[in-house]
Amino acid sequence: EPEVTQTPSHQVTQMGQEVILRCVPISNHLYFYWYRQILGQKVEFLVSFYNNEISEKSEIFDDQFSVERPDGSNFTLKIRSTKLEDSAMYFCASMAGHLNTEAFFGQGTRLTVV
Amino acid sequence: GEDVEQSLFLSVREGDSSVINCTYTDSSSTYLYWYKQEPGAGLQLLTYIFSNMDMKQDQRLTVLLNKKDKHLSLRIADTQTGDSAIYFCAENENTGFQKLVFGTGTRLLVSP
Repeated sequence: EPEVTQTPSHQVTQMGQEVILRCVPISNHLYFYWYRQILGQKVEFLVSFYNNEISEKSEIFDDQFSVERPDGSNFTLKIRSTKLEDSAMYFCASMAGHLNTEAFFGQGTRLTVV
Repeated sequence: GEDVEQSLFLSVREGDSSVINCTYTDSSSTYLYWYKQEPGAGLQLLTYIFSNMDMKQDQRLTVLLNKKDKHLSLRIADTQTGDSAIYFCAENENTGFQKLVFGTGTRLLVSP
């Protein structure tokens, strides 16, 4: 069964460092998303991406965040200068089309900023 | 903005039915979803319901939707210890890009 894969599963980084979280969406999907879940809290939408551009972003997704689909298969989330409060589980998701019902989620990357 | 609320915790005995409740605010949502998250794992879609339906049954799972009250429930029949997890209700924000708005999650604990 096709699945969304995320790497690494766990990343520890020092405050102020840049991190790149990687995702490989399902190959024929067109819509891509990043969500995050701070420990014990809701899963929150960060950004959606379609046709090689951001289609929507939340107020969490400030200038420190960027997304890219560099090679047609990977979908990355970059945090330029990490803060302690960026510690969270980051989930990537993809959807075949906007009329489809199911967003497929990856297993998540746990980011710990120390 | 949109908001989705759930009770935080539910404890049941193995073999009983579990009912997890959710309320939402966005009446334009097309679909409502239930996701399951096991410890340390990702989000697994369990089931979803189209907004013009009242009920959907899928094996041990029954979803009830009361659109007037904006209330969604998930009933798990014959609950097993393997059903212990966090259950998230989610609605899609009908903007065209299908952003999901998640609830707070209900931690279901099934005891033998």
